[in-house]
Amino acid sequence: NAGVTQTPKFRILKIGQSMTLQCAQDMNHNYMYWYRQDPGMGLKLIYYSVGAGITDKGEVPNGYNVSRSTTEDFPLRLELAAPSQTSVYFCASRGEYSNQPQHFGDGTRLSIL
Amino acid sequence: DAKTTQPPSMDCAEGRAANLPCNHSTISGNEYVYWYRQIHSQGPQYIIHGLKNNETNEMASLIITEDRKSSTLILPHATLRDTAVYYCIVRVGAGAGGTSYGKLTFGQGTILTVHP
Repeated sequence: NAGVTQTPKFRILKIGQSMTLQCAQDMNHNYMYWYRQDPGMGLKLIYYSVGAGITDKGEVPNGYNVSRSTTEDFPLRLELAAPSQTSVYFCASRGEYSNQPQHFGDGTRLSIL
Repeated sequence: DAKTTQPPSMDCAEGRAANLPCNHSTISGNEYVYWYRQIHSQGPQYIIHGLKNNETNEMASLIITEDRKSSTLILPHATLRDTAVYYCIVRVGAGAGGTSYGKLTFGQGTILTVHP
């Protein structure tokens, strides 16, 4: 069972470069989330989506953009990479009912140098 | 969402039960208690959740006190692979007045170390 798949697993960027972190889920979940986790810290919500075509900001959206053209995919875009965006990024998805748990991918480890 | 308090670290012997406590004294009636764990370098893994009744699945048991102000996650027979950071999270359901639908707020969690 694939669940939530994130690519790439690792990436090093130079300051000012851009890239897209990919997230795909095969559980037909409407709700999807992007979190970042800095060393020794908890996860912080960047963006979320409640369905195809609908996205909204979380706690720390600055420097990021998202889109949701399909139910399966929820890519996260960094336009101008900055050292402060060095982090581990996790994508998660959840089913329709509010008490259902979120299921996470294995993360993308991103370093900005 | 209600704030949770967990001990920063705990130890457990392999094969013994690991009992991880969580205080959530400000929990409200429509908030669920969720437990996740994060093994080094991996994504958070869902363990179990509950509203007011005790719950059990293939991974663990969740005991919620009658007043719902605290809970305990029980790993009945801990193994070395259970060494991880365990997070207790309390949250309302999506659309219940919040601005982030079903956002999970991860605190510092409890570092559980299982010893041989």
